[in-house]
Amino acid sequence: GDSVTQMEGPVTLSEEAFLTINCTYTATGYPSLFWYVQYPGEGLQLLLKATKADDKGSNKGFEATYRKETTSFHLEKGSVQVSDSAVYFCALNGGSYIPTFGRGTSLIVHP
Amino acid sequence: GAGVSQSPRYKVAKRGQDVALRCDPISGHVSLFWYQQALGQGPEFLTYFQNEAQLDKSGLPSDRFFAERPEGSVSTLKIQRTQQEDSAVYLCASSLRAGDSYEQYFGPGTRLTVT
Repeated sequence: GDSVTQMEGPVTLSEEAFLTINCTYTATGYPSLFWYVQYPGEGLQLLLKATKADDKGSNKGFEATYRKETTSFHLEKGSVQVSDSAVYFCALNGGSYIPTFGRGTSLIVHP
Repeated sequence: GAGVSQSPRYKVAKRGQDVALRCDPISGHVSLFWYQQALGQGPEFLTYFQNEAQLDKSGLPSDRFFAERPEGSVSTLKIQRTQQEDSAVYLCASSLRAGDSYEQYFGPGTRLTVT
């Protein structure tokens, strides 16, 4: 079945540091890929998505590129802020209405 | 309100008690999803409604779990005879179109603790 593997957290960075959160997936066919963010006490919010190979999703300074050859969708941001502290979930949708989520990676950004 | 709301936000139940968790989706959203999120895990699909019809309940872990959406808006997830393994955050999400999980809007969740 479909699966998503994310790097273990927490990831702890200083403000303005470069962020990478790794995500790889296993799926049949050509899934759509997503990153969600969950701020403390809130629900998951869609951060960005990519629906086909080589697409780059971007939002709020975050970006991720759909790499079919490496089955990856790594999340990056050039300069993180304290307000980016949250849990980030990588997810895929293989064409049904049932998405598959990774376990989440906690990001802590210090001033 | 503009978003998906859930109540209660926190629920503590003694083992064996029944609980009811409520979800108010965004007005006009056709699709409604329930997920279970165990500690340190990602959300796992429980069930899906299209309007008032429960089209998929394949993720419900046992027959103690029951969900309804009688008028195609508010939904209730009921858990009978709660067990410790039911402790988790229960998330509700809605989307505008039928069968659309690409643009889901999530509620803040209900944290259920079974003691």
